[in-house]
Amino acid sequence: GNSVTQMEGPVTLSEEAFLTINCTYTATGYPSLFWYVQYPGEGLQLLLKATKADDKGSNKGFEATYRKETTSFHLEKGSVQVSDSAVYFCALSDRGDKLIFGTGTRLQVFP
Amino acid sequence: KAGVTQTPRYLIKTRGQQVTLSCSPISGHRSVSWYQQTPGQGLQFLFEYFSETQRNKGNFPGRFSGRQFSNSRSEMNVSTLELGDSALYLCASSSWTGGDYGYTFGSGTRLTVV
Repeated sequence: GNSVTQMEGPVTLSEEAFLTINCTYTATGYPSLFWYVQYPGEGLQLLLKATKADDKGSNKGFEATYRKETTSFHLEKGSVQVSDSAVYFCALSDRGDKLIFGTGTRLQVFP
Repeated sequence: KAGVTQTPRYLIKTRGQQVTLSCSPISGHRSVSWYQQTPGQGLQFLFEYFSETQRNKGNFPGRFSGRQFSNSRSEMNVSTLELGDSALYLCASSSWTGGDYGYTFGSGTRLTVV
């Protein structure tokens, strides 16, 4: 069945450092891919998404490219801020079916 | 426009009781899905409703049920609560727009079973 694998956290960075959170997926079809962010005590907020191969999603300085050949959707940001500290979830949805999430990666950014 | 509204935000129940959670989707969205989030199991899909019909169901026991009303508002019910049902329950409202599916989540209901 479909699945998502994320790198284990926590990821600890200093402010202005470069961020990469790895995400790979397994899917039988051609899923849409998502990154969601969850701040303490809150629900999930959509960070970015991509619906087909080679699409690049971007938002608030975060980017991820849908790589079909490597079945990956890694999240990157060139310069993180303390306010980016949160838990990040990679997810997929196959043709509008339910969202399947990775386990989440906690990011901690220190000044 | 208003987002997804989940009520209540927090709930404390005793083992064996039942509980009902509510979700009001974004206006015009006809699909509502529910997810359970726990530290041990992560985010797991419970079920999805579309136009008052359950369209998809996750792997949860029959104690978990839901329904959707004609105005697209949805409720989920958990009967005979167990300690392991303590979790954050998230509702997502979704629509098919321009060949793409968009999901918007509410802030969740945190259920504690004691």
